[in-house]
Amino acid sequence: AQSVAQPEDQVNVAEGNPLTVKCTYSVSGNPYLFWYVQYPNRGLQFLLKYITGDNLVKGSYGFEAEFNKSQTSFHLKKPSALVSDSALYFCAVRDRGNNRLAFGKGNQVVVIP
Amino acid sequence: NAGVTQTPKFQVLKTGQSMTLQCAQDMNHNSMYWYRQDPGMGLRLIYYSASEGTTDKGEVPNGYNVSRLNKREFSLRLESAAPSQTSVYFCASSTGTGGLSGANVLTFGAGSRLTVL
Repeated sequence: AQSVAQPEDQVNVAEGNPLTVKCTYSVSGNPYLFWYVQYPNRGLQFLLKYITGDNLVKGSYGFEAEFNKSQTSFHLKKPSALVSDSALYFCAVRDRGNNRLAFGKGNQVVVIP
Repeated sequence: NAGVTQTPKFQVLKTGQSMTLQCAQDMNHNSMYWYRQDPGMGLRLIYYSASEGTTDKGEVPNGYNVSRLNKREFSLRLESAAPSQTSVYFCASSTGTGGLSGANVLTFGAGSRLTVL
């Protein structure tokens, strides 16, 4: 069964600094990979996904993520963080061979003004 | 653009009481899902419906039942609530008829916070 690890509970970053949220995954086959963001008292919103092709995926709000097959990672990045980026970020993986989607436990990002 | 609408937003139950969480989407999506979110555990799938007329169990179906009333609506019922069902419940929907297969993106509702005393 597939699984996702988001090793850090909370990521603190100063406004204007680069932001990285880490995600590693485990699947038996080839993955589809996703990032979602959750603002307080809201549902999850889609940010970006990796299906195939270019390992660098660009998404909403200036976010991007890099697929690294050898390290089984899909880290989320933003070159310059905004206070409004403070939210809970979820990585998710789906094995193309089955019908299940696994979410990580989420990372709280706090951008300090 | 309503998207996915869940009701109620908040509910407090006593152990043993029953209730139904309602979900409706206006995006003409085929697949719908119910997740629960617990601190430090991410989202766990309770049930899903790949298309109108079908439902399937997810990771944590025990204590729940679902009904896909029509293409728009997918309800979650707790027949006899337990404190372990205290959680935030999210309904979601996606295009396609493959349920969780493929690269379908999920659109989530705002959530329903349930407390069972």
